[in-house]
Amino acid sequence: KQEVTQIPAALSVPEGENLVLNCSFTDSAIYNLQWFRQDPGKGLTSLLLIQSSQREQTSGRLNASLDKSSGRSTLYIAASQPGDSATYLCAVKRGGSNYKLTFGKGTLLTVNP
Amino acid sequence: GAGVSQSPSNKVTEKGKDVELRCDPISGHTALYWYRQSLGQGLEFLIYFQGNSAPDKSGLPSDRFSAERTGGSVSTLTIQRTQQEDSAVYLCASSLGAINTEAFFGQGTRLTVV
Repeated sequence: KQEVTQIPAALSVPEGENLVLNCSFTDSAIYNLQWFRQDPGKGLTSLLLIQSSQREQTSGRLNASLDKSSGRSTLYIAASQPGDSATYLCAVKRGGSNYKLTFGKGTLLTVNP
Repeated sequence: GAGVSQSPSNKVTEKGKDVELRCDPISGHTALYWYRQSLGQGLEFLIYFQGNSAPDKSGLPSDRFSAERTGGSVSTLTIQRTQQEDSAVYLCASSLGAINTEAFFGQGTRLTVV
């Protein structure tokens, strides 16, 4: 059974700081890994998708890495802003009959002005 | 459409009533997922559709839950005889294909059973 863990559960940083969010998964037989953000009372917004054959993906101030063999991914946020405050979720997609995404419980990020 | 659309956005129902939640995926997306997010909990997988077929329904928490998808597009999640523990946000997602494509989520339906 695939399990996804995100550390830390919560993180508070001052504006402008660079930060790293961590995601680990127990079964390395994945198709891809996706990072999302969720604002309070809202749905999930896709940030980055990394295929199993890729090592990293970048979008603006965000950089996600994937080390499939060790079951780890990181989301690096450069020059954090108060608008980055949200819950960040990682999810892995594994094969089988339903191709479901298995989610971690998220990291609640607060960026203080 | 521009994104995944879910309706209603909020639903309050009395215990024992049936409810229907609707999901309109992004046009052309063949894969559709339902998830449930309870207060303080992670996202719980409910069911996946590829086209109109649901290969695996084992994520549905009880036989009070059912889902269907018609025309490879709109999906409906039905909860019969609602219970208070069914209160949660129900999220729908779609993707272009089953495997190596990005999943996009709707804004969710917040269900409250009183």
